[in-house]
Amino acid sequence: DTGVSQDPRHKITKRGQNVTFRCDPISEHNRLYWYRQTLGQGPEFLTYFQNEAQLEKSRLLSDRFSAERPKGSFSTLEIQRTEQGDSAMYLCASSYSGTSGRARNTQYFGPGTRLTVL
Amino acid sequence: AQSVTQPDIHITVSEGASLELRCNYSYGATPYLFWYVQSPGQGLQLLLKYFSGDTLVQGIKGFEAEFKRSQSSFNLRKPSVHWSDAAEYFCAVALTGTASKLTFGTGTRLQVTL
Repeated sequence: DTGVSQDPRHKITKRGQNVTFRCDPISEHNRLYWYRQTLGQGPEFLTYFQNEAQLEKSRLLSDRFSAERPKGSFSTLEIQRTEQGDSAMYLCASSYSGTSGRARNTQYFGPGTRLTVL
Repeated sequence: AQSVTQPDIHITVSEGASLELRCNYSYGATPYLFWYVQSPGQGLQLLLKYFSGDTLVQGIKGFEAEFKRSQSSFNLRKPSVHWSDAAEYFCAVALTGTASKLTFGTGTRLQVTL
């Protein structure tokens, strides 16, 4: 169990550019979540996948945002035409939704990707 | 919609003193309850969780939390704080059954004085 990993850890971009982040979940986890955290706030839910299906999207996820999990393993979050308001920490988490086990339905977080839009 | 309130934005305690961080939730039923800790610039680490059963749950790093249904609270405690406990602490809830997205409070920043 190597934990949730995210890449890159930091991204600085200019307004209007597109950015893509990657998340690799814990290997046996079937659920993957994306959250956004701005300074001084708790994380806010963006979207989640169960296997490759995207089951829920927050209204925070504007049409400039798209997330994929094509093979039910890693996921990408793309932001098109970035705006300064997109500057935040983007957190990924994973869990498994099995019917047994102490760790079921418990989300484990990666280190996050810090996005700065200039 | 569910909500989580952490009324204390910032708490300062002396090393060795006891700690209690407050968390109240608003929900139609008893949700799953979690406490996470975040060091500056880092992701969130799970401290403990409550799903059902014993209302006093033990976590890592000597933390415990007590679920009180009548008060819709899930307060985090530690009997003796260490300087390394300085961090941001988040309470979170999730729907039982589906256990999908987490709803977080705004966090409590803990400062520890030596």
